[in-house]
Formats: sequence, structure tokens, C-alpha cells
Amino acid sequence: DQQVKQNSPSLSVQEGRISILNCDYTNSMFDYFLWYKKYPAEGPTFLISISSIKDKNEDGRFTVFLNKSAKHLSLHIVPSQPGDSAVYFCAAWEAAGNKLTFGGGTRVLVKP
Amino acid sequence: DVKVTQSSRYLVKRTGEKVFLECVQDMDHENMFWYRQDPGLGLRLIYFSYDVKMKEKGDIPEGYSVSREKKERFSLILESASTNQTSMYLCASGTPGRGGGYTFGSGTRLTVV
Repeated sequence: DQQVKQNSPSLSVQEGRISILNCDYTNSMFDYFLWYKKYPAEGPTFLISISSIKDKNEDGRFTVFLNKSAKHLSLHIVPSQPGDSAVYFCAAWEAAGNKLTFGGGTRVLVKP
Repeated sequence: DVKVTQSSRYLVKRTGEKVFLECVQDMDHENMFWYRQDPGLGLRLIYFSYDVKMKEKGDIPEGYSVSREKKERFSLILESASTNQTSMYLCASGTPGRGGGYTFGSGTRLTVV
């Protein structure tokens, strides 16, 4: 049973607009949530994270929101740029297990 | 920056062959991980290791084994390759606690024919 789910396999957005990526989880014991970005033929790269005790973390164009009661997090990219076209993975970490659990990924296409 | 190097970018192997995937990291990390990436399934953890000679099963260890003889090197072994092991294999090292992330290698695209 998948503990971390990304229900939208793909997303298309116009350059300059906002991209919103969503992620749901089932394990209330997760301590951190992370977003990774992956280009074809490359390994994923760490993008941004949020502690389970926070509800928002911002880094430049990227903001992650966490709603613990709904077990839901989202990544906002504003403004979207063509270079943001990639697959984005949501991941969650529980200190007890010391390992990351990943979602299925969302492919983002930013159109010029 | 941490560098994680996977020895091969592309491999083609025959069914039944024994396959070795090598991974080396240069930042003295204790934790190393092997994932496979398949469309729609995301990254699934195969095995991980917290220290030399130590290994733990991940979520999908069947058909795989690992070796960690030195701290910087973590090898994934397919004992008898099968076509359902055709996938992208990703090695990572680090500790995501306190918000930091793993560092991943570039991946090995393995095709079993």
C-alpha cells in the first residue's frame, strides 16, 4: 500500500503562471516531507523540504505547504519557467525508519 | 558538493546473468541506498545500508542482494537477471533528517533481454 501518493501523473502550464503539485500521505509519523526534481537520464535532485511541525516553507520561486490534518502537501512554483519541465517526486521521511518513501511522480511541462 | 557516482549509465544483460551495479560516494556518508524507478511507481527502495558490512531490506528486495565492504562503496547485485528487473536503478547517500535530502547518482538504465 502506497504511503505517499501523487494522484496527478502530469501537469501542463503556461510559462509565467503558477504550477501546483499535490501529494497525499497516510503515515502520520512522517517527520519531514521533501520534493525532488528529475530530468531524463539524470538522478533526482533535492528541491525543498518542510518539517512536519511547519505549515509553509519558501525558497525563491518554490513554496511547499503542509496540511497535517488533511495529510496533504503541495508544491507551488511561481512563476513557472521552461527549465522547470521535469518529473517532480514528493517524498516523506520518518526518523524511526531512516529512509525516504517516494510518491509516483508528476511530470510537469511548462510551455513557452 | 557530495558526489555519487554510478559506474554505468546503460547496461544490457541477458536473462539469467549475474549483474553488478556499483555506486561510490565521496562524502563519508554512513547511509547509502538503492532505488529503482519505474513509470507511475516512483522510486522504490530495494536495499539500504547504515554502515560497512551492514544491510537492510527495503520494500522490494526480492531478486537482489547488496554488498558494502567499504564505507564509500555500495554494490547492488542481481543474482539471476530477469526481464522484470529492466528498470532505472538509482543509488543515493546521505541522511534526510533535519530537512536535508539524499544525493543521487545519475542512474543506471538496465535492460534485461
